[in-house]
This record gives sequence, C-alpha cells and structure tokens, in this order.
Amino acid sequence: DAMVIQNPRYQVTQFGKPVTLSCSQTLNHNVMYWYQQKSSQAPKLLFHYYDKDFNNEADTPDNFQSRRPNTSFCFLDIRSPGLGDAAMYLCATSREGAHAYEQYFGPGTRLTVT
Amino acid sequence: GQNIDQPTEMTATEGAIVQINCTYQTSGFNGLFWYQQHAGEAPTFLSYNVLDGLEEKGRFSSFLSRSKGYSYLLLKELQMKDSASYLCAVVDSNYQLIWGAGTKLIIKP
Repeated sequence: DAMVIQNPRYQVTQFGKPVTLSCSQTLNHNVMYWYQQKSSQAPKLLFHYYDKDFNNEADTPDNFQSRRPNTSFCFLDIRSPGLGDAAMYLCATSREGAHAYEQYFGPGTRLTVT
Repeated sequence: GQNIDQPTEMTATEGAIVQINCTYQTSGFNGLFWYQQHAGEAPTFLSYNVLDGLEEKGRFSSFLSRSKGYSYLLLKELQMKDSASYLCAVVDSNYQLIWGAGTKLIIKP
C-alpha cells in the first residue's frame, strides 16, 4: 500500500545532542511537510517542500533544518534540542489536483528530550 | 491575525448524534478540511468543503457557510471508536493551511 513512513516512532535524545528524524513516501507526491504538534495543540507547520523548492515558516527556529534529497525522502534535523522541543513530529504529503491540500500523514515520531 | 475556533472538548453518548462547530477568521478562503486524530496518532482526512452546503459521507457529514465563516462536522450513530480529536483546518488566500487546536470528543457508553 502507498503510504508515508516515519522512523523512528519514538526517539529519545539528550539536551543539546543533534537528532535527525526521517520520513519517506511511496505516494509520489510533490509536496512534503514537517509539523510539530504538542499535546492538545494544533499542528504547527515548520517547513514544506514543493518538489525541491524549500519553504521555511517565518517563526520556525534556526535550530530546525530540513533536507529533501529526492522525491521520496525528507529529513528533519534538530541541531541542539531543548526541553521545549519535546513533541510529536508529523510528516505529511500532498499532491496537486482538486484536493491538492488533502494531506496524508505518517504515524509521527514522538521526541523526548532528557 | 488568522484564527480558527473550536470547542476544546465535548462529550456524547454511544449511538447518539453530535455536532462539532468550527468558526474561522482567515485572510481569504480556499477550502476547509476536517481531520480525525486518535490519541498519539497522526491525523486522518475526513472531509473537504469549498462550496456552501452539506457534504455527506456515511455516518459523517460536514457543512460549510462561507458568508458566516462557519462549518460543522456531524457524527451520527456514535461508536466508541469515534472517541478522538477532530481538527478543523482552513486553506487561506496564500494556500496555507491554518489549523485549529481540535475538539476532543469523548464517547460514553
């Protein structure tokens, strides 16, 4: 089945230790998104890629970086995680068309910072 | 600023009907989505409205009034598995998706 895959599902890192979260998709969608979601809050968009065109949200901290080496893969790098970065990180994709903005989400990576 | 308002939490009884409201103030409008999110899981797509009126899909229906900046999600014949958060999201004039914080729906037997 076509899907969005995120690894790992649970990640524990130490304060200040760099961490990378990964996302892959078999949907062949043009657009990929990274969201941060804290408990009982709306998903917060960090970045999105339209093909290889990178779009950074204005309020995304510099501590967060992203890479999309090809259509299928996208990575989220947190250079120096702080306690406030503990959250669920969601990767999503969407395609062009009448429902271009229907987003397909991966299962998420829950990040714990110790 | 852009704003999406939904009730924080609602409680309903198994087998009943519940209506979850969403009001929005955004710079432009290019459609409204409803997503379901079970605790600890990713959101999954429920519905999309871009024109006024009611869209029905099985036990779930979604209504939109663009002039009032208002939508609702109607869930019929509630089942225990419908316990989840329901997120309203609006596509603004820049084709950005503005998310609400979600309504946590608790179903009681």
